[in-house]
Amino acid sequence: AQKITQTQPGMFVQEKEAVTLDCTYDTSDPSYGLFWYKQPSSGEMIFLIYQGSYDQQNATEGRYSLNFQKARKSANLVISASQLGDSAMYFCAMAGSQGNLIFGKGTKLSVKP
Amino acid sequence: NAGVTQTPKFRVLKTGQSMTLLCAQDMNHEYMYWYRQDPGMGLRLIHYSVGEGTTAKGEVPDGYNVSRLKKQNFLLGLESAAPSQTSVYFCASSYRTAYYSNQPQHFGDGTRLSIL
Repeated sequence: AQKITQTQPGMFVQEKEAVTLDCTYDTSDPSYGLFWYKQPSSGEMIFLIYQGSYDQQNATEGRYSLNFQKARKSANLVISASQLGDSAMYFCAMAGSQGNLIFGKGTKLSVKP
Repeated sequence: NAGVTQTPKFRVLKTGQSMTLLCAQDMNHEYMYWYRQDPGMGLRLIHYSVGEGTTAKGEVPDGYNVSRLKKQNFLLGLESAAPSQTSVYFCASSYRTAYYSNQPQHFGDGTRLSIL
């Protein structure tokens, strides 16, 4: 069965600095996809970035990049030049066999001015 | 450009009462999902649907029922609410299943439900 582990319940980062949010996964499927979502205090779930297991390059979307290390089964989210608006919960997820997303427990990021 | 709309946004129920949460999407998506989010637990799948007229159980289906009579709507019902069902409920939809696609699921803004 698929499993997502996020070991950092909370993280602090200084404004304008980069931060890495950890995510490890477990799956026996040869092909899989990994997603990151942001949940601000207002509660909505915002899709950030996707990485396919066979993608040749690490995914990037603006200030977000994914440090994908297949052998280590890790898919860490890197946020560059942190902004106050980046303060939120961040969830790593992967596709489950029912077509759903299997989520980790999340990391709460706080950006300090 | 509504996307996924959930109603109501907030609700307080007494134990034993029933209610229905409505999810509507205007993106012509085949796949729809109901998740619940509890503190420290992330989101967990309750039920899902792969198309109009179909439903299936997810990870935590007990105490809930669903219906997908129309492609754009996915209803989540609580027949006899219990305090353990106090949670935030999210509906999501996608064009293709996440298992074979890089297309993300689109989420509604959530329904905060309290059972007293």
